[in-house]
Amino acid sequence: EVQLVESGGALVQPGGSLRLSCAASGFTLTNYWMHWVRQAPGKGLVWVSRIKSDGGSTSYADSVKGRFTVSRDNARNTLYLQMNSLRVEDTAVYYCARDPDFGGYSDFDFWGQGTLVTVSS
Amino acid sequence: DIQMTQSPFSLSASVGDRVTITCRASQSIRNHLNWYQQKPGKAPEVLISAASSLQYGVPSRFSGSGSGTEFSLTISSLQPEDFATYYCQQSYDIPYTFGQGSKLEIK
Repeated sequence: EVQLVESGGALVQPGGSLRLSCAASGFTLTNYWMHWVRQAPGKGLVWVSRIKSDGGSTSYADSVKGRFTVSRDNARNTLYLQMNSLRVEDTAVYYCARDPDFGGYSDFDFWGQGTLVTVSS
Repeated sequence: DIQMTQSPFSLSASVGDRVTITCRASQSIRNHLNWYQQKPGKAPEVLISAASSLQYGVPSRFSGSGSGTEFSLTISSLQPEDFATYYCQQSYDIPYTFGQGSKLEIK
């Protein structure tokens, strides 16, 4: 059974840091691009970051560039999102999502259940 | 960034109705368009990729069409489990932007 399980969400003060993890099972992580998507309470979906299957390429939304870093450990079947200099507006549920990137087409075919990050003083 | 605009923002319909949600891109994205369904408190699930390819296990009452800048998601006969929020997403260029969502409610 394919599973993505996020962890690491917490309440943190503005300016603080958190590291989110996404543990994958039931498939070979090496074969997939992976993404982070967030959703503020009551709001829509916002793409945050992606990382190539071998970790050789990363991309970020402008709103998090320079503050967030995506990485992966394929041997541990785990994706990470290091979040620094957190702002109140980073408050959201953070989802990891799998992207088969099949035939040059990207879609997020499997998502984790999400982990809540709350940035507040 | 490519802007994705969905309409309507919300709609009310009855079981058995046919409904269509549209999505417009601010520039051509060819057919790099995905549709997701999200129910309250749950993660999104992909319904359609590449504008019209139904994902495995998704009921055939869902269909997608369009290319370039205009796309649509149609549900041919609404079932109780279809009441949810629907999002389009372009995967043509980074950042992979989503529409603002269309909330489908029971009339």
